[in-house]
Amino acid sequence: GDSVTQKQGQVTLSEDDFLFINCTYSTTTYPTLFWYVQYPGQGPQLLLKVTTANNKGISRGFEATYDKGTTSFHLQKASVQESDSAVYFCALEGSGYNKLTFGKGTVLLVSP
Amino acid sequence: GGIITQTPKFLIGQEGQKLTLKCQQNFNHDTMYWYRQDSGKGLRLIYYSITENDLQKGDLSEGYDASREKKSSFSLTVTSAQKNEMAVFLCASSIGTGGNERLFFGHGTKLSVL
Repeated sequence: GDSVTQKQGQVTLSEDDFLFINCTYSTTTYPTLFWYVQYPGQGPQLLLKVTTANNKGISRGFEATYDKGTTSFHLQKASVQESDSAVYFCALEGSGYNKLTFGKGTVLLVSP
Repeated sequence: GGIITQTPKFLIGQEGQKLTLKCQQNFNHDTMYWYRQDSGKGLRLIYYSITENDLQKGDLSEGYDASREKKSSFSLTVTSAQKNEMAVFLCASSIGTGGNERLFFGHGTKLSVL
């Protein structure tokens, strides 16, 4: 079945630092890849979606890219703010119809 | 816009107890989901439903029942709560039935079992 590996459990940065979060995936079909963000006390919300057609997505200063060769996808932001502190999940829609497979999540802590 | 409402927000149960969590959505979405979130384990799918009265098992369905009696509501039952269990249960919906549709989540029900 599909799998997603998100190894970075926690990332601690200062404001204006560069953010990079990486996920690797395994699937038998063409994937659609997602980044969801969860702020404290809320449910996750969609941040970005990347398909094999577009290879890249941009939203709210975040950029998501996808590398078919290494079966990995990344989330980056050039300059983080304290308000970006949240949990970031990567997710894969692959061979499991109607199902997303989520990574374990990365807790981002940004200090002022 | 729409909203997903989960009740209750906090649920404290006893070991062996049957517990029911409720979810309502006013998006008029076809598909609804229940996910379980454990610290450090991400989100795992328990059940989903693509239409009224439909139920599909996810990867974590054992120990749970679900019910979709109306398009707008989806309930989840923990059939026998496990001692010291602690997790957040997230309800979500999507407009269509494809896995690449955007999910809209509720704020969650936090379960603690004494």
